[in-house]
This record gives sequence, C-alpha cells and structure tokens, in this order.
Amino acid sequence: DTGVSQNPRHKITKRGQNVTFRCDPISEHNRLYWYRQTLGQGPEFLTYFQNEAQLEKSRLLSDRFSAERPKGSFSTLEIQRTEQGDSAMYLCASSSRGANEKLFFGSGTQLSVL
Amino acid sequence: AQSVAQPEDQVNVAEGNPLTVKCTYSVSGNPYLFWYVQYPNRGLQFLLKYITGDNLVKGSYGFEAEFNKSQTSFHLKKPSALVSDSALYFCAVRDMDKAAGNKLTFGGGTRVLVKP
Repeated sequence: DTGVSQNPRHKITKRGQNVTFRCDPISEHNRLYWYRQTLGQGPEFLTYFQNEAQLEKSRLLSDRFSAERPKGSFSTLEIQRTEQGDSAMYLCASSSRGANEKLFFGSGTQLSVL
Repeated sequence: AQSVAQPEDQVNVAEGNPLTVKCTYSVSGNPYLFWYVQYPNRGLQFLLKYITGDNLVKGSYGFEAEFNKSQTSFHLKKPSALVSDSALYFCAVRDMDKAAGNKLTFGGGTRVLVKP
C-alpha cells in the first residue's frame, strides 16, 4: 500500500492558463474523489468516480473544471481559464467497496493563480 | 442535503487534560459519521467512524467519539491530551440514503492546541 499520490505538489500559474493535476489512488480502490480545500475551511466535494464512471459532480463546480479517470485507475482534474478564486488545495481520495468505507487522502496539489 | 457544523474554530487544552471537539450533523436519512485529522503539510488521516451499533466508537491514537441520535451529535473525545494531538480536526457525514449520493460532507474544522 503506497498510499494516494498526487502530482504536482505545488502549481503556480497565471490567470487564464489551463492546469492539470494527477491523482494515483491506492491500486485496489475502485472509488475516487476530488475535493477542494481553502485556508481555514473543510474540504469541499467536487466529483466522484466509481471505476471509470464519473457518477457525481458538485453543482457548484464550474464548467471550467473537468475530471477523467480512464481505465478506472489514475485520475486527472483539469481547470481551464484559471481564475484567482481557483487558488486552493486540491485533494484526491480513494476508497474501496461501500459508502461506509473510510477515505484515504493524498497530500494534495496546492494551486496558486496569480 | 447533508451538513456538518463544528461550532468551535479552536480548542485549547493543557496536556494531560481531557479533550473534546464538538460536531453536529444534519442528514435526511441515517448517518455514516467520520472524524479525520490533518497535521501540517500532510493529508487528512482517518481517526474513526460510526456506521451502526454501539454509540461509543473507539479509534486511532486513543480517540473515541459518541454518537447521539437525539442531539444529532458526534463529539470527538480523548481522556488525556498529548502535545502531539495538536492538529486540525474535521468531522464528516454521509447520508445512508442512496439517493443522497456518495459524497462525504466535511465540517469547517476545529484547530486543537495542546499546551505542555
């Protein structure tokens, strides 16, 4: 069990640029989640995959955000035309089996939009 | 809709004293409840969960939490706090009702500071 891995750890970009983050979940986990956390706040749900299917997406999520999980393994989160308000820590988590299972979180990708 | 409230932004406690971090929740159905801890520059780590059964749940590092359905609360407790317990603590809830989806909703967090 090597844990959930996220890359890059930090990303600094200029407003209007596109960015992409990667998450490698624990290998046997079929469920994958993306969350966003801003300073002093709890993680906010963005989207959820079961295997390769994106089953849930937050209604608060802008159309500039898109996520994929090809082949049900790693996942990518892309933000197009970044805005300063997108600056946050982006967290990935994975779990196995049912909805009562605990989530294993990665260390996150800190995005700063200048 | 499901939600979590952590009424205290920060809790200060002396080492060796009991620690309590408060959490209340709201769900349409019955809840799955979780506590996570976040240390500086590290990801969230699972502490404990309540699914069903005994209302008192024991978890990692000597922590426990008590589920109280009538008060819709799930307070985190530790009988004797350590300086190393200083961290950010998050309560989270998921509605058992499948129609509510699979997302875990987190509270705003409570910073715990244990002083020597």
